[in-house]
Amino acid sequence: EVQLVESGGDLVQPGGSLRLSCAASGFTFSDHYMDWVRQAPGMGLEWVGRIRNKANSYTTEYAASVKGRFTISRDDSKNSLYLQMNSLKTEDTAVYYCARVRLSGYVQKYSDYWGQGTLVTVSS
Amino acid sequence: DIQMTQSPSTLSASVGDRVTITCRASQSINSWLAWYQQKPGKAPNLLIYEASYLESGVPSRFSGSGSGTEFTLTISNLQPDDFATYYCQQYDSYSLTFGGGTKVEIK
Repeated sequence: EVQLVESGGDLVQPGGSLRLSCAASGFTFSDHYMDWVRQAPGMGLEWVGRIRNKANSYTTEYAASVKGRFTISRDDSKNSLYLQMNSLKTEDTAVYYCARVRLSGYVQKYSDYWGQGTLVTVSS
Repeated sequence: DIQMTQSPSTLSASVGDRVTITCRASQSINSWLAWYQQKPGKAPNLLIYEASYLESGVPSRFSGSGSGTEFTLTISNLQPDDFATYYCQQYDSYSLTFGGGTKVEIK
């Protein structure tokens, strides 16, 4: 069974930093690209970014709203995904989900399994 | 970035109804569109991918159609478990984007 468990959410002051983790199990983590998606309270879903697999050089993509402030990384030996968030703003307050990207032969890929999320609150 | 516009934002319906949600892309995304269902306090759940392919385990009353810039999600014979919020997502570009969501409420 695919399981994704996020952790690390907390209350942090504006301008601060936080690192989220996502522990994966039930599938071959190293094969898959992984996404981070967030949801502000009462709002819709916002894609944050993606990290590809080793075969694709662990390259990353980011939403414009977080580019230069957030960094996605992974440790395939630990089946773990990370989101380093720096220079946090109040508008970064959200539940952060990690999501597995489905394997396919296409360049275009979508997420098929999601974790339950971890809450990040940015407030003074 | 490709903008995704969903309509309506809220939909009131009764059990047994047929409902249709529309998603429009600001430029062609071919068929690179997914639909997700989300219930309060829960993670999204994949329903449809590549615009019209039903995810394994999803009831056949859900269907998707469209290509290019206009897409629809149809739920036939609406069931109590279907009252939720639905999101479309384009994955044609390297910067993925979601629609604003459609909340399906009990009439």
